[in-house]
Amino acid sequence: AQSVTQPDIHITVSEGASLELRCNYSYGATPYLFWYVQSPGQGLQLLLKYFSGDTLVQGIKGFEAEFKRSQSSFNLRKPSVHWSDAAEYFCAVGARSSASKIIFGSGTRLSIRP
Amino acid sequence: DVKVTQSSRYLVKRTGEKVFLECVQDMDHENMFWYRQDPGLGLRLIYFSYDVKMKEKGDIPEGYSVSREKKERFSLILESASTNQTSMYLCASSPALDRNTEAFFGQGTRLTVV
Repeated sequence: AQSVTQPDIHITVSEGASLELRCNYSYGATPYLFWYVQSPGQGLQLLLKYFSGDTLVQGIKGFEAEFKRSQSSFNLRKPSVHWSDAAEYFCAVGARSSASKIIFGSGTRLSIRP
Repeated sequence: DVKVTQSSRYLVKRTGEKVFLECVQDMDHENMFWYRQDPGLGLRLIYFSYDVKMKEKGDIPEGYSVSREKKERFSLILESASTNQTSMYLCASSPALDRNTEAFFGQGTRLTVV
């Protein structure tokens, strides 16, 4: 069974600073990987996903993530954060099967310091 | 646009009541999911369905059941609601994951059991 760990519960960064949110997964093979964002009072929106191919994935809003098989990681990065990036971020993993559960991590809350 | 619609945004129910949460998707997706979202715990999978009348337990199925009689509709049932089931419930749907896609979420139902 797959599982996801997001070790950082809450991160605060200054506006304009770079950001990296950590995600580690457990799965016996190469999984499908996702990052979702949830702004306050809003639903979940997909930022980016990895299925195969290039291990550096570009997403919306200037985010990117890198799949590292050797480290079982899929960390999310942004070179310069904006105040509107304040939200909760969830990493998720799906098994390589058509009938696949999608399992989420516990989330990382991002605050932006003006 | 994909639409996942949950029947209620807010519900207040009494302890011991039988509660039905309804979810409908309009994109002919095979997979449907029910998650529960609690602060600090992220999204936890309650049940998953990969076809009509087919279901699998997620990580926290105790106290819940589901029904999927039609492809577009996935219902979550609390047989006898308890206060520890007060939470945000999120429904999602996806095509088979091997089609390089993602899960699409509804807006959520905030359930309070008193």
